[in-house]
Amino acid sequence: DVVMTQSPLSLPVTLGQPASISCRSSQSLVHSDGNTYVIWFQQRPGQSPRRLLYEVYKRDSGVPDRFSGSGSGTDFTLKISRVEAEDVGVYYCMQGTHWPWTFGQGTKVEIK
Amino acid sequence: EVQVVESGGGLVQPGGSLRLSCAASGFTFSSYWMGWVRQVPGKGLQWVATINFDGSEKYYVDSVKGRFTISRDNAENSLYLQMSSLRADDTAVYHCARLVMHTSDFWGQGALVTVSS
Repeated sequence: DVVMTQSPLSLPVTLGQPASISCRSSQSLVHSDGNTYVIWFQQRPGQSPRRLLYEVYKRDSGVPDRFSGSGSGTDFTLKISRVEAEDVGVYYCMQGTHWPWTFGQGTKVEIK
Repeated sequence: EVQVVESGGGLVQPGGSLRLSCAASGFTFSSYWMGWVRQVPGKGLQWVATINFDGSEKYYVDSVKGRFTISRDNAENSLYLQMSSLRADDTAVYHCARLVMHTSDFWGQGALVTVSS
């Protein structure tokens, strides 16, 4: 199975400051169809996960533009340009290229 | 409004069986792949199984193969997960998820399954 390794696992951030989460995969996530199926989810306390980004950088409807995704091959990054209080939660990367789809361990974002 | 609502969770003894259901509404159920993903409380996420539009293709994670069966009833807009030979490490919240293009774009709140004697 593809192993997704996130870092850091805990990320204390000051309001209004940027934040960055890394996600590395144990093998290339380029699918045979040419697309790269890397997805980022946000899980707020007490809620089910919500998709933020898909295919590395495509933002879901309603997701603020302070969230952005980048990367290729095996290295991917989620960036929050200016952290707001509502961004507190756990962020997961996921790969949908190889079955079984797999998730990173999660990064807990909290306000300093 | 897209909704998926899981039911059927509960406490079951090791070796026992349980059937989860997922009632979908607000979208054309038969046009989507569907799946089940589980989350151990306070821990990580794991895809369990996926099923295609008409139920002719099914995929399982190795740890549940031969024990879990995913199925769907498009006439009833429902997804199911039949779980048997349950083990303690199957304890988790099981989420029903709508799938699109190698990902899920919508999850339900989940049903808690506890395997314990």
